[in-house]
Amino acid sequence: QKEVEQDPGPLSVPEGAIVSLNCTYSNSAFQYFMWYRQYSRKGPELLMYTYSSGNKEDGRFTAQVDKSSKYISLFIRDSQPSDSATYLCAMGNTGNQFYFGTGTSLTVIP
Amino acid sequence: SAVISQKPSRDICQRGTSLTIQCQVDSQVTMMFWYRQQPGQSLTLIATANQGSEATYESGFVIDKFPISRPNLTFSTLTVSNMSPEDSSIYLCSVGGVLEGTEAFFGQGTRLTVV
Repeated sequence: QKEVEQDPGPLSVPEGAIVSLNCTYSNSAFQYFMWYRQYSRKGPELLMYTYSSGNKEDGRFTAQVDKSSKYISLFIRDSQPSDSATYLCAMGNTGNQFYFGTGTSLTVIP
Repeated sequence: SAVISQKPSRDICQRGTSLTIQCQVDSQVTMMFWYRQQPGQSLTLIATANQGSEATYESGFVIDKFPISRPNLTFSTLTVSNMSPEDSSIYLCSVGGVLEGTEAFFGQGTRLTVV
C-alpha cells in the first residue's frame, strides 16, 4: 500500500468554479501536511502548510486535514486559468522524510 | 523562504555518460535533499546531504550511481552516473522540511533525457 494516494485526474473545470483536490494516507503518525503547485517545467511551489488537524485558509485556498479519516483536501475558490497546474500533496512527521502524492493535473477553462 | 537555483535546467545526454547537477541556496542550510520525479509518479527522495559528512541514501539508490557532494552550507551537487534511458526524469533539490521543522522549498528542477 502506498503511503499517499492521490487521484491523478486530469481535472477540468470552468473559470470561477470551486475545485476540490484530495489525498488519503495510511500512516497515522503523519503530522505535517502540505500542498504544492507545480507548473509545467517548474519545480513544486509551496501553497499551504498545516500541522496536525483542522483548516487553514489563505486567500482563495483552504486546506483541510481530517486525521481520523486520514484524508486531506485543498479547496480553490473562484478558480482562475492561472490556477491550471499540477497539485501535489505531501506529508510527513518529525524526523522522517516527506511522502508525496502523484499529483492531480488541473485545467481551468476561461 | 529560501531561493534555490538549480542548473542545468535541462539536458539531453548520451547513454553511458554522467551529468552533474548543481544546487545553490541563498542562505545557509543544514540539510539539502535530492528528489527524482518520474512522469506520472510521486517525488521520490534519493538522498539527504549534510555538510561535512557522507550523504544518506534511500532504499533503491546507491552512492556509486548518484554521488553527492556538499562542500558548504549553501551548495550541493548530484551526479547521475553511467546513465541509461531509465534515468530520464526530473531531478530536484530541496531545502527545509520536517527534519528541520520547516516547509520544504524546491529548485526549478533539472529535466534529464538520456538517449
